[in-house]
Amino acid sequence: GAGVSQTPSNKVTEKGKYVELRCDPISGHTALYWYRQSLGQGPEFLIYFQGTGAADDSGLPNDRFFAVRPEGSVSTLKIQRTERGDSAVYLCASSLSGGRADEQYFGPGTRLTVT
Amino acid sequence: AQSVTQLDSHVSVSEGTPVLLRCNYSSSYSPSLFWYVQHPNKGLQLLLKYTSAATLVKGINGFEAEFKKSETSFHLTKPSAHMSDAAEYFCVVSDHSGNTPLVFGKGTRLSVIA
Repeated sequence: GAGVSQTPSNKVTEKGKYVELRCDPISGHTALYWYRQSLGQGPEFLIYFQGTGAADDSGLPNDRFFAVRPEGSVSTLKIQRTERGDSAVYLCASSLSGGRADEQYFGPGTRLTVT
Repeated sequence: AQSVTQLDSHVSVSEGTPVLLRCNYSSSYSPSLFWYVQHPNKGLQLLLKYTSAATLVKGINGFEAEFKKSETSFHLTKPSAHMSDAAEYFCVVSDHSGNTPLVFGKGTRLSVIA
């Protein structure tokens, strides 16, 4: 079956612009996660959805970052007034129920470059 | 709060020799522990996971890891390296305290020399 997909695969934007990154999880997975991976680092947690609601958004770095999942499937990560420090690979993952031992399935990521 | 420390940023082995990637964890609760692999330009893939059952965990592609509570370690091993094993490996922890997100180590880059 289809895995987690993310679009676009690459995004180049100018400092100060607004961007949206999209994640399509595996069908039927109720839990969805966003992570950010900077060069040479492991992924860092941003936000976790259980269904339509954000169950944990403690990893969002500041109020320029926001994410939605209005129908409990596709999610969009939104970044306002982008800064060069936002450049990273943004990863999305989904799991069946969000249990702490559930396998999280990762998408290929969106590489964001802010110039 | 939970964390993981991967003791080596880069490991280089010859093809056919054993692989050892080291990981120590810190957790307030009984942890779930994972190893993920990331090949260039590919998504993260789960190699294996420990969730409080058997302490020796077998994963895909001949990898295994042993949970040692007394040493707070979860090292990844493979008896014989293959060229296709060259990748970035991440040790990951998740607390048993609830639906917490994964906490990744900084990664260990494995190089396999022919």
